[in-house]
Amino acid sequence: DIQMTQSPSSLSASVGDSVTITCRASQSISSYLNWYQQKPGKAPKLLIYAASSLQSGVPSRFSGSGSGTDFTLTISSLQPEDFATYFCQQSYSTRYTFGQGTKLDIK
Amino acid sequence: EVQLVESGGGLVKPGGSLRLSCAASGFTFSDYSMNWVRQAPGKGLEWVSSISSSSSFIYYADSVKGRFTISRDNAKNSLYLQMNSLRAEDTAVYYCARGDPSDSWGQGTLVTVSS
Repeated sequence: DIQMTQSPSSLSASVGDSVTITCRASQSISSYLNWYQQKPGKAPKLLIYAASSLQSGVPSRFSGSGSGTDFTLTISSLQPEDFATYFCQQSYSTRYTFGQGTKLDIK
Repeated sequence: EVQLVESGGGLVKPGGSLRLSCAASGFTFSDYSMNWVRQAPGKGLEWVSSISSSSSFIYYADSVKGRFTISRDNAKNSLYLQMNSLRAEDTAVYYCARGDPSDSWGQGTLVTVSS
Protein backbone atom coordinates (compact mmCIF):
# COMPACT_ATOMS: atom_id res chain seq x y z
CA ASP A 1 0.00 0.00 0.00
CA ILE A 2 1.02 3.58 -0.56
CA GLN A 3 2.06 5.24 2.69
CA MET A 4 1.21 8.88 3.31
CA THR A 5 3.27 10.86 5.81
CA GLN A 6 2.18 14.27 7.03
CA SER A 7 4.27 16.84 8.80
CA PRO A 8 4.10 18.32 11.27
CA SER A 9 1.81 16.18 13.40
CA SER A 10 0.73 19.27 15.28
CA LEU A 11 1.06 22.97 14.75
CA SER A 12 0.26 26.05 16.78
CA ALA A 13 -0.55 29.33 15.08
CA SER A 14 -2.40 32.57 15.60
CA VAL A 15 -5.36 34.09 13.81
CA GLY A 16 -4.05 35.88 10.75
CA ASP A 17 -0.99 33.65 10.34
CA SER A 18 -0.22 31.63 7.25
CA VAL A 19 0.56 27.92 7.74
CA THR A 20 1.76 25.09 5.51
CA ILE A 21 1.21 21.38 6.03
CA THR A 22 3.21 18.84 4.08
CA CYS A 23 2.20 15.40 2.85
CA ARG A 24 4.64 12.93 1.31
CA ALA A 25 3.71 9.74 -0.54
CA SER A 26 5.85 6.61 -0.47
CA GLN A 27 5.68 6.47 -4.27
CA SER A 28 4.56 8.78 -7.02
CA ILE A 29 0.82 9.43 -6.99
CA SER A 30 0.77 12.03 -9.77
CA SER A 31 -1.81 14.58 -8.59
CA TYR A 32 -4.18 12.10 -6.93
CA LEU A 33 -4.05 13.87 -3.60
CA ASN A 34 -6.94 15.20 -1.55
CA TRP A 35 -7.06 17.27 1.62
CA TYR A 36 -9.75 17.08 4.31
CA GLN A 37 -10.52 19.14 7.37
CA GLN A 38 -12.05 17.58 10.45
CA LYS A 39 -13.37 19.28 13.55
CA PRO A 40 -13.96 17.42 16.83
CA GLY A 41 -17.02 15.20 16.72
CA LYS A 42 -17.69 15.99 13.08
CA ALA A 43 -17.22 14.19 9.78
CA PRO A 44 -14.31 15.16 7.55
CA LYS A 45 -14.87 17.85 4.95
CA LEU A 46 -13.23 17.89 1.53
CA LEU A 47 -11.11 21.00 0.98
CA ILE A 48 -8.82 20.30 -1.95
CA TYR A 49 -8.90 17.57 -4.59
CA ALA A 50 -6.48 16.61 -7.33
CA ALA A 51 -3.71 18.30 -5.35
CA SER A 52 -4.70 21.88 -6.15
CA SER A 53 -8.40 22.13 -7.02
CA LEU A 54 -10.51 23.97 -4.48
CA GLN A 55 -13.74 22.21 -3.54
CA SER A 56 -16.86 24.28 -4.12
CA GLY A 57 -17.70 26.48 -1.16
CA VAL A 58 -14.24 26.30 0.41
CA PRO A 59 -12.66 29.70 1.10
CA SER A 60 -9.87 30.77 -1.22
CA ARG A 61 -7.43 31.11 1.70
CA PHE A 62 -7.00 27.34 1.35
CA SER A 63 -4.67 26.23 -1.41
CA GLY A 64 -2.88 23.06 -2.39
CA SER A 65 0.13 22.29 -4.52
CA GLY A 66 2.46 19.50 -5.50
CA SER A 67 2.68 16.42 -7.65
CA GLY A 68 4.51 13.14 -7.62
CA THR A 69 5.39 12.48 -3.99
CA ASP A 70 5.41 15.88 -2.28
CA PHE A 71 2.36 18.00 -1.58
CA THR A 72 1.44 21.00 0.53
CA LEU A 73 -1.70 22.52 1.97
CA THR A 74 -1.41 26.22 2.72
CA ILE A 75 -3.88 28.22 4.75
CA SER A 76 -3.32 31.95 4.47
CA SER A 77 -4.68 34.41 7.01
CA LEU A 78 -5.95 31.83 9.51
CA GLN A 79 -9.47 32.32 10.77
CA PRO A 80 -10.83 31.01 14.09
CA GLU A 81 -12.86 28.35 12.30
CA ASP A 82 -9.72 26.92 10.66
CA PHE A 83 -8.39 25.39 13.86
CA ALA A 84 -8.98 21.71 13.21
CA THR A 85 -7.22 18.55 12.11
CA TYR A 86 -6.18 18.14 8.49
CA PHE A 87 -5.69 14.89 6.62
CA CYS A 88 -4.24 14.15 3.22
CA GLN A 89 -5.46 11.15 1.21
CA GLN A 90 -4.14 9.51 -1.92
CA SER A 91 -6.56 8.19 -4.52
CA TYR A 92 -3.93 7.03 -7.04
CA SER A 93 -4.33 3.50 -5.79
CA THR A 94 -7.80 2.04 -5.41
CA ARG A 95 -6.72 1.15 -1.88
CA TYR A 96 -6.95 4.70 -0.61
CA THR A 97 -4.74 5.73 2.28
CA PHE A 98 -4.73 8.73 4.57
CA GLY A 99 -1.96 10.60 6.25
CA GLN A 100 -1.90 10.47 10.04
CA GLY A 101 -3.27 13.97 10.38
CA THR A 102 -2.02 17.40 11.42
CA LYS A 103 -3.70 19.09 14.35
CA LEU A 104 -3.74 22.85 14.05
CA ASP A 105 -4.46 24.67 17.25
CA ILE A 106 -4.45 28.22 18.50
CA LYS A 107 -1.21 29.58 19.90
CA GLU B 1 -29.16 18.49 -0.45
CA VAL B 2 -26.89 15.48 -0.32
CA GLN B 3 -27.48 13.37 2.77
CA LEU B 4 -25.79 10.24 4.00
CA VAL B 5 -27.12 8.65 7.16
CA GLU B 6 -25.35 5.68 8.74
CA SER B 7 -27.01 3.25 11.10
CA GLY B 8 -26.42 -0.14 12.63
CA GLY B 9 -23.58 0.58 14.98
CA GLY B 10 -23.50 -0.61 18.56
CA LEU B 11 -21.76 -2.78 21.12
CA VAL B 12 -20.75 -6.25 20.01
CA LYS B 13 -18.57 -8.95 21.55
CA PRO B 14 -15.30 -10.04 19.94
CA GLY B 15 -16.01 -12.56 17.22
CA GLY B 16 -19.47 -11.15 16.65
CA SER B 17 -21.07 -9.60 13.60
CA LEU B 18 -22.72 -6.33 12.73
CA ARG B 19 -24.22 -4.86 9.57
CA LEU B 20 -23.92 -1.16 8.94
CA SER B 21 -26.20 0.71 6.56
CA CYS B 22 -25.89 4.07 4.87
CA ALA B 23 -29.02 5.67 3.45
CA ALA B 24 -28.35 8.14 0.68
CA SER B 25 -30.58 10.94 -0.57
CA GLY B 26 -30.38 14.16 -2.54
CA PHE B 27 -28.36 12.77 -5.43
CA THR B 28 -28.40 9.96 -7.99
CA PHE B 29 -26.89 7.23 -5.84
CA SER B 30 -26.26 4.89 -8.75
CA ASP B 31 -23.91 7.42 -10.37
CA TYR B 32 -21.33 7.33 -7.58
CA SER B 33 -18.80 4.99 -6.07
CA MET B 34 -19.08 4.77 -2.31
CA ASN B 35 -16.68 4.22 0.54
CA TRP B 36 -16.49 3.23 4.17
CA VAL B 37 -13.90 5.04 6.28
CA ARG B 38 -13.38 4.49 9.99
CA GLN B 39 -11.80 6.40 12.83
CA ALA B 40 -10.76 4.72 16.06
CA PRO B 41 -11.20 6.86 19.19
CA GLY B 42 -8.63 9.64 19.20
CA LYS B 43 -6.98 8.34 16.03
CA GLY B 44 -6.79 9.24 12.37
CA LEU B 45 -8.86 8.22 9.40
CA GLU B 46 -8.56 4.72 7.95
CA TRP B 47 -10.04 3.79 4.60
CA VAL B 48 -11.93 0.49 4.93
CA SER B 49 -13.60 -0.38 1.64
CA SER B 50 -14.88 1.01 -1.66
CA ILE B 51 -17.48 -0.13 -4.17
CA SER B 52 -18.01 1.16 -7.68
CA SER B 53 -21.33 2.56 -8.85
CA SER B 54 -22.52 -0.74 -10.34
CA SER B 55 -20.77 -2.95 -7.78
CA SER B 56 -18.38 -4.19 -10.46
CA PHE B 57 -15.29 -3.19 -8.50
CA ILE B 58 -14.80 -3.73 -4.79
CA TYR B 59 -11.72 -3.06 -2.70
CA TYR B 60 -10.79 -3.68 0.93
CA ALA B 61 -8.08 -2.64 3.31
CA ASP B 62 -5.88 -5.55 4.36
CA SER B 63 -7.03 -5.06 7.94
CA VAL B 64 -10.60 -6.09 7.07
CA LYS B 65 -10.22 -8.28 3.99
CA GLY B 66 -11.94 -11.62 4.46
CA ARG B 67 -14.00 -10.36 7.40
CA PHE B 68 -15.94 -7.39 6.00
CA THR B 69 -18.17 -7.28 2.93
CA ILE B 70 -19.28 -4.09 1.23
CA SER B 71 -22.41 -4.04 -0.89
CA ARG B 72 -25.00 -1.63 -2.22
CA ASP B 73 -28.58 -1.60 -3.42
CA ASN B 74 -29.04 1.13 -5.98
CA ALA B 75 -32.79 0.61 -6.02
CA LYS B 76 -32.89 1.42 -2.31
CA ASN B 77 -30.18 4.11 -2.41
CA SER B 78 -28.33 2.23 0.26
CA LEU B 79 -24.79 1.16 1.06
CA TYR B 80 -23.93 -1.65 3.46
CA LEU B 81 -21.00 -3.05 5.37
CA GLN B 82 -21.30 -6.56 6.76
CA MET B 83 -18.71 -6.98 9.50
CA ASN B 84 -17.90 -10.46 10.75
CA SER B 85 -15.30 -11.84 13.16
CA LEU B 86 -15.08 -8.46 14.82
CA ARG B 87 -12.04 -7.59 16.90
CA ALA B 88 -11.34 -4.99 19.54
CA GLU B 89 -9.26 -3.06 17.01
CA ASP B 90 -12.35 -2.63 14.81
CA THR B 91 -13.78 -0.27 17.43
CA ALA B 92 -14.30 3.02 15.62
CA VAL B 93 -16.73 5.49 14.20
CA TYR B 94 -17.62 4.26 10.72
CA TYR B 95 -18.39 6.84 8.06
CA CYS B 96 -19.86 6.32 4.63
CA ALA B 97 -18.53 8.75 2.06
CA ARG B 98 -19.49 9.53 -1.51
CA GLY B 99 -17.18 9.19 -4.44
CA ASP B 100 -13.54 9.85 -5.22
CA PRO B 101 -12.71 12.35 -3.90
CA SER B 102 -15.13 11.93 -1.02
CA ASP B 103 -17.13 15.13 -1.20
CA SER B 104 -19.94 14.14 1.14
CA TRP B 105 -19.81 12.18 4.38
CA GLY B 106 -22.34 10.86 6.82
CA GLN B 107 -22.29 11.70 10.51
CA GLY B 108 -20.84 8.30 11.39
CA THR B 109 -21.98 5.37 13.49
CA LEU B 110 -20.00 4.05 16.44
CA VAL B 111 -19.02 0.40 16.57
CA THR B 112 -17.64 -0.85 19.88
CA VAL B 113 -16.17 -4.32 20.07
CA SER B 114 -15.76 -5.36 23.68
CA SER B 115 -16.56 -8.23 25.98
